[in-house]
Amino acid sequence: QVQLQLWGAGLLKPSETLSLTCGVYGGSFGDYYWAWIRQPPGKGLEWIGEVNRRGVTNYSPSLKSRVSISVDTSKNQFSLIMRSLTAADAAVYYCARGKLGITPWGQGMLVTVSS
Amino acid sequence: QSVLTQPPSVSAAPGQKVTISCSGGRSNIGNNYVCWYQQLPGTTPKLLIYDNNKRPSGIPDRFSGSKSGTSATLGISGLQTGDEADYYCGTWDSSLSAVLFGGGTKLTVL
Repeated sequence: QVQLQLWGAGLLKPSETLSLTCGVYGGSFGDYYWAWIRQPPGKGLEWIGEVNRRGVTNYSPSLKSRVSISVDTSKNQFSLIMRSLTAADAAVYYCARGKLGITPWGQGMLVTVSS
Repeated sequence: QSVLTQPPSVSAAPGQKVTISCSGGRSNIGNNYVCWYQQLPGTTPKLLIYDNNKRPSGIPDRFSGSKSGTSATLGISGLQTGDEADYYCGTWDSSLSAVLFGGGTKLTVL
């Protein structure tokens, strides 16, 4: 059974760059898309983007200019880079598998943006 | 404001049935599968329904999904207090090349 675990810095200052990595355990990348999703405190889900094992990516139009998602199949990992952070980027960040029917989800990581 | 529109909240008594709607457009719900997620308080979202009306293993048949045109509906029958959660619809938007989520609906079991 595939499990996802993400890590990275959780406290950042405005204008800094967020870097998160998600490890895929118990399975291979297969033909899935691997996604990043976030949820601001008390708010709904927001899809950030996705990548497949060949490195093909799709991004949310509203975040596309600040986001990069990459994959390292040799390490069974995929990563998120988000630049020029503001307070509005504070959220729980999730990594997950899939596009239509996203499952499983990683445990989530709270990212705080504060000076 | 989400492209997919859900009611902010719904409520019903234990044992009753409730439906949650998700309204979109031709480029998203109208031409792609819809899925539904349940997020219990303080937990990670869980897939409830995929491909409009299919349930992953372990999801009870009290949960059902349907789609008609540019709208989808989640049904929950035999409501239990443990069903109190936020529910989100999701789909792909072919014009945006992006996954969309609805704004979420908070279910209260009175």
